[in-house]
Amino acid sequence: GENVEQHPSTLSVQEGDSAVIKCTYSDSASNYFPWYKQELGKGPQLIIDIRSNVGEKKDQRIAVTLNKTAKHFSLHITETQPEDSAVYFCAASSDSNYQLIWGAGTKLIIKP
Amino acid sequence: DVKVTQSSRYLVKRTGEKVFLECVQDMDHENMFWYRQDPGLGLRLIYFSYDVKMKEKGDIPEGYSVSREKKERFSLILESASTNQTSMYLCASSSGTGGRNQPQHFGDGTRLSIL
Repeated sequence: GENVEQHPSTLSVQEGDSAVIKCTYSDSASNYFPWYKQELGKGPQLIIDIRSNVGEKKDQRIAVTLNKTAKHFSLHITETQPEDSAVYFCAASSDSNYQLIWGAGTKLIIKP
Repeated sequence: DVKVTQSSRYLVKRTGEKVFLECVQDMDHENMFWYRQDPGLGLRLIYFSYDVKMKEKGDIPEGYSVSREKKERFSLILESASTNQTSMYLCASSSGTGGRNQPQHFGDGTRLSIL
């Protein structure tokens, strides 16, 4: 069945450096790719999403890139801050169903 | 802002009990979802509903049922709780306007322990 692989499972970066999390999807019909941030004790919160008709989207320090040919998409966080520490999830879905296929998550640790 | 409210943050029940988890959203969303979250496994979809009284099985529906009598409320039912259902349960909602692929908005979860 469809799946989304997410790497790395844990990422530790120095405050102020950039962080990159990568996901690969299997269903070539996927056309919607959201990223969620989950802080301790809270539910996941959408931070950015991209649809397959664009290759890149930015929102302040966060950007997502999509390579449809290779079937992978990435989350880029620049100038990392302590409040960026959280678990990040990627997901993918297509028009044919309501279901998001989720990656396993990346724990991002920002070192002071 | 969308508000998804789950009735309990923590819940402890015994094996064999019938357990009800409640979720309410205030944005008139058509779609609602129940997930469970376990370490290393990400989020797994149990059931979802795209309209009142409509439900669809997700990836792991066994041992669960759902009820959606009103648009704003989606209930998850553990028919006879077992220890392997100890988990974090997350409810989400999304708009049905603009196609199926719309952002999902999550509650803060219910951590359920079955003893």
